[in-house]
Amino acid sequence: DTEVTQTPKHLVMGMTNKKSLKCEQHMGHRAMYWYKQKAKKPPELMFVYSYEKLSINESVPSRFSPECPNSSLLNLHLHALQPEDSALYLCASSQDRTTSTDTQYFGPGTRLTVL
Amino acid sequence: AQSVTQLDSQVPVFEEAPVELRCNYSSSVSVYLFWYVQYPNQGLQLLLKYLSGSTLVKSINGFEAEFNKSQTSFHLRKPSVHISDTAEYFCAVRKAAGNKLTFGGGTRVLVKP
Repeated sequence: DTEVTQTPKHLVMGMTNKKSLKCEQHMGHRAMYWYKQKAKKPPELMFVYSYEKLSINESVPSRFSPECPNSSLLNLHLHALQPEDSALYLCASSQDRTTSTDTQYFGPGTRLTVL
Repeated sequence: AQSVTQLDSQVPVFEEAPVELRCNYSSSVSVYLFWYVQYPNQGLQLLLKYLSGSTLVKSINGFEAEFNKSQTSFHLRKPSVHISDTAEYFCAVRKAAGNKLTFGGGTRVLVKP
């Protein structure tokens, strides 16, 4: 089973709203990732958690706040977003970022629209 | 730093015809290579990967890719495409030591009846 689930599938929010995206995996993976994908572009890495600790932040604005409550769950808290933040947000997980055979598996994404 | 170039942004192809998607990479260290497919309005699915061993790797749905170290390429091929292969295909590389994927710009395959 290589399933990563994400909720919600679609989200529309205003610039003053606070919302959260949720990602879950039950593969025993210890690394989890958030990506942002604009239309017709490749995914861009935002954050990496390894063993529930934030290991990479790709200079993401503070209006995006990640959280890893446990090894199976990854959240992305959103606050005061801008219309240009509208995108597909993808979550991924992998077994262990330090192994050479590490492979990332992606969820279906959350389509976010900021009005 | 590594980079990935997918030479074709769009590839129109007729059903049952062959297709080749080109991927070239640049890196000063050893890398692992991946192809991901993204169907319309969906996330990315791993299609195949090269980590070590045989340079020809195959997927369960008829795609294959060959790692060519001298030409720093990892082209994806399918001998006969179906309408359902219409999707965006991303080539990606990862350093042997590290977990960060670097993606190419993507190739949109449109299969016509």
